[in-house]
Amino acid sequence: GNSVTQMEGPVTLSEEAFLTINCTYTATGYPSLFWYVQYPGEGLQLLLKATKADDKGSNKGFEATYRKETTSFHLEKGSVQVSDSAVYFCALRPLDGGYNKLIFGAGTRLAVHP
Amino acid sequence: GAVVSQHPSWVICKSGTSVKIECRSLDFQATTMFWYRQFPKQSLMLMATSNEGSKATYEQGVEKDKFLINHASLTLSTLTVTSAHPEDSSFYICSASGRRQGMRQFFGPGTRLTVL
Repeated sequence: GNSVTQMEGPVTLSEEAFLTINCTYTATGYPSLFWYVQYPGEGLQLLLKATKADDKGSNKGFEATYRKETTSFHLEKGSVQVSDSAVYFCALRPLDGGYNKLIFGAGTRLAVHP
Repeated sequence: GAVVSQHPSWVICKSGTSVKIECRSLDFQATTMFWYRQFPKQSLMLMATSNEGSKATYEQGVEKDKFLINHASLTLSTLTVTSAHPEDSSFYICSASGRRQGMRQFFGPGTRLTVL
């Protein structure tokens, strides 16, 4: 079946540190892959996406590359800010999803300290 | 644009009562709405998908008679938790997508339900 596994949090970093949040997936074929971010008190927002192998999604300094060979879509940022503190969800949209179904990982809480 | 709201943001109810949660797309027509449930430190679990004017499609293991979903208009979907019990306490999140938004889902802020 389809599933997403991401690293457990919380991840605690100092400002300007390098961030990596690991995400691996299980799916048939080439699903679309997403990272969503949830700031406190707000709904999930699409951060970036990739729809085919070797695609790199990027937004707000965050990047993730669709790696078919390792079935991974790790999120990275070179220099985090306090304002990046949030919960990050990795997700996939399977080819056979129908109705635009999304499968989410458990979420990783990031806390950035000054 | 593409804002989704939920009401209420939190609700406390007694065991055995029913609770209705609203999900509205404020500035677009949502042909499809999704309802998720999120347990602490766990992922969002899709409960059901509804298309405007038709019956909801429930995921395996979700009781359709307990979680009633109505999508009567292009801007409103409701989730009613019937005869709620403490194990129904959770965070319920809706999302919506419309033809002009392609396949992108826009999420509401969620509703925290606590059943005493």
